[in-house]
Parts: sequence; structure tokens; C-alpha cells
Amino acid sequence: QSVLTQPPSVSGAPGQRVTISCTGSNSNFGAGYDVHWYQQLPGTAPKLLIYGNNNRPSGVPDRFSGSMSGTSGSLAISGLLAEDEATYYCQSYDSSLSTYVFGTGTKVTVL
Amino acid sequence: QVQLVQSGSELKKPGASVKVSCKASGYTFTNYAINWVRQAPGQGLEWMGWINPTTGKPTYAQGFTGRFVFSLDTSVTTTYLQISSLKAEDTAIYYCARFDSSMYYTFDYWGQGTLLTVSS
Repeated sequence: QSVLTQPPSVSGAPGQRVTISCTGSNSNFGAGYDVHWYQQLPGTAPKLLIYGNNNRPSGVPDRFSGSMSGTSGSLAISGLLAEDEATYYCQSYDSSLSTYVFGTGTKVTVL
Repeated sequence: QVQLVQSGSELKKPGASVKVSCKASGYTFTNYAINWVRQAPGQGLEWMGWINPTTGKPTYAQGFTGRFVFSLDTSVTTTYLQISSLKAEDTAIYYCARFDSSMYYTFDYWGQGTLLTVSS
């Protein structure tokens, strides 16, 4: 199982704000490694959504934002749209395992 | 624009081998490492390892040693993943991803994925 834990699912109505947590430990976030977030739309490859805790690549709407506190990272989606229905993964590096690690994934459903 | 284009779906029998390719374009191939990520059916993402584009030296994650081999051909800007002695549990989508280590250590571009099905 992954060392980064996410809730299996979150849901919200169009226009609402949802947040996804990513809980790590002292060997990843606590050791100073950043959290990155990926969006995987159904049937497609993952896409980089947030890097370095709170930076958006060019083209990613500012409805998506990230943050980090202690050993947990967080992704927020405001003004939820139907097109945001996807699975979201956090990612970092773990110094105990000496490996890049992904979170367990969170499926976002727009009601 | 940066593109990673992978080879098509494969159906293999247990015990066989497969070689998946990932052709890069739109950037200087030797400046960025290519990583491989596995996604089993209905499951999450699992990092398999990476290959140094300058030296060709591969690094494998735990659980991906022995039957898994990364290689590359810089003349055609292509990276390869070969899996031998295939088992049913190798059935998955395999993604190649470019690794950006300039400031943040992220997988910034991904291939479209290659579905490998291992079945008798």
C-alpha cells in the first residue's frame, strides 16, 4: 500500500469547493519533499496539475490550488465543473523507501 | 510541443516477453530522464523506476528488478521497457513520463499509456 494516504472519494455540486487531503509522514513531506498533484480523467493518462506544493503549470485553471502543512498536502478545487470529474493523485519522494511515491488516489464526483 | 508517444496495446501469453516503446519529441532528449509508471486494472499509480538519458543507466524501484529492463536509443529519442517471463499480474497500463528535475521533481509530461494484457 502507498505511504501517501488520500480519501477514496469526494463529491460536490457544480460551483462548490472541494478539498482532497494527502497524508504523509516524516520521511516524505516532513523531510521537506514537495507534494505534486495529477489529474487522471477517465480512460486517459495522468496530467500534472500542481507542482511544488502550490504552483500551476501553464494552462491549468486557477480554480485548482494546492497547499502543504506539516506532513499533509491538500488540493482544493473551487467552482466545481462537470469536467473536473476525475481521479486525483498526490505524489512525492520518500527518503526511507528511496522511491517516488503516489497517493492512493481520490475520485471526485460532481453531483 | 513536448510529446511522448507509446507503442500500441499488447496481448501476450504467460512466459512470453514484451517490449514497449516511448518516443519523445519537442525537447532535447538527453536533458530529461524518462520514468515508467504502472497502473494495474482499477488501481493507482506505481513508480517503476527511471533511465538516465545521458548514460543509459537504469534505476529500478523495489519490485521491478530482474524481469524488467529499461533501455534507450538516443538516435531515435526512444525509451524502451522490456518485461520478460510475463505473468498474469503484469496485466496493466504502462506509462512513460518525463521527469523534470530542474527545480521541482515532477513528472511533467506523460505518454498515452500502453495496455498490456497477459492471458493464456
